[in-house]
Amino acid sequence: GQSLEQPSEVTAVEGAIVQINCTYQTSGFYGLSWYQQHDGGAPTFLSYNGLDGLEETGRFSSFLSRSDSYGYLLLQELQMKDSASYFCAVRVTGTALIFGKGTTLSVSS
Amino acid sequence: DGGITQSPKYLFRKEGQNVTLSCEQNLNHDAMYWYRQDPGQGLRLIYYSQIVNDFQKGDIAEGYSVSREKKESFPLTVTSAQKNPTAFYLCASSIAGTGKSPLHFGNGTRLTVT
Repeated sequence: GQSLEQPSEVTAVEGAIVQINCTYQTSGFYGLSWYQQHDGGAPTFLSYNGLDGLEETGRFSSFLSRSDSYGYLLLQELQMKDSASYFCAVRVTGTALIFGKGTTLSVSS
Repeated sequence: DGGITQSPKYLFRKEGQNVTLSCEQNLNHDAMYWYRQDPGQGLRLIYYSQIVNDFQKGDIAEGYSVSREKKESFPLTVTSAQKNPTAFYLCASSIAGTGKSPLHFGNGTRLTVT
């Protein structure tokens, strides 16, 4: 089977740094993506890693190690609006993505 | 503005009835997808289509059917054979054949079957 494991919940305070880990076991691998979803809304794309290393986009960074089947999303300078669910996703074939179960991030003041 | 439109936002049906969820996109994307989201389960792939008149089953296709007669449209039918149809259904699209192409999601349809 195919599986992506990520923590179910993470809590932090405003201004802090949070890391959400994702380990995957899939039949194929064409890149690791991260999506954000606010309660009841549509998921939105945050980042993509096709090769090993760090990708930075503003306050968000994402890392991939293909040899370890592992990646993480790093959120810096947390704001209240970052409270949401975060999903890692792997492209295993063609263009379809397989998603993890999501990590609920709660940011408090 | 380009985007994906799912309608209706909320849908209520009686058990035993088939129901079709609409998904339209004007992003000129070749690939379209249907995901189901249940609390604590993440997004699970139902069907996807990379070109018109072609589609593939995802992980949980049983009890569902799709068609892709036009590039812009990818309707999903939830049949009476689907044992637990109550869920949040998300449609998405992307540029096909590009590994890093992000998925663009619609706002979803929340289906309740009683």
